[in-house]
Amino acid sequence: EDKVVQSPLSLVVHEGDTVTLNCSYEVTNFRSLLWYKQEKKAPTFLFMLTSSGIEKKSGRLSSILDKKELFSILNITATQTGDSAIYLCAVPDEGSQGNLIFGKGTKLSVKP
Amino acid sequence: AAGVIQSPRHLIKEKRETATLKCYPIPRHDTVYWYQQGPGQDPQFLISFYEKMQSDKGSIPDRFSAQQFSDYHSELNMSSLELGDSALYFCASSLTTSGVGSTDTQYFGPGTRLTVL
Repeated sequence: EDKVVQSPLSLVVHEGDTVTLNCSYEVTNFRSLLWYKQEKKAPTFLFMLTSSGIEKKSGRLSSILDKKELFSILNITATQTGDSAIYLCAVPDEGSQGNLIFGKGTKLSVKP
Repeated sequence: AAGVIQSPRHLIKEKRETATLKCYPIPRHDTVYWYQQGPGQDPQFLISFYEKMQSDKGSIPDRFSAQQFSDYHSELNMSSLELGDSALYFCASSLTTSGVGSTDTQYFGPGTRLTVL
């Protein structure tokens, strides 16, 4: 069974739109949830969330975690074509040293 | 700031050949992870090392082996290559203090694209 589920799988928007990406997870001993942006190459780190209700923000991107409902959202406001990428959500595998379990990702396409 | 370095960036091999991928973690990072990402797939964990000792093993085939050296660089050795091994191979590093994950943030290298013909 999938421990990390992302939705939607794909999203096409126009520049200037605001998008919300969803990630739900299921692990017994939750430690953290991470968001990565993957363009053509390596995933680049965006946020690590450990506490519920505390928004992390970086420019037009923000993310928040709900540990009660077991999900996180990633918001991008005023989208730009450079935001086009696959956004990956991951949680450390329970009982491991920290290897990450990734969701399938959300492919975001921002049209001019 | 220094990032994770991987070499080579691209590698083309034929079936049944061997390949060695190298990874140089961010300085002072003590944990290295290897992931395999097939076309259109999310990264899948292969194996990890903490302080030069294997710490976790994921879906790594028996044909593959890895190690971490005294300078913390790691090598992934792949033998009897198969067509299905064609993928992007990422190395990631993190700083884990006292053997307990003080930070789960992993920083990924640029990856090695392996093509098996």
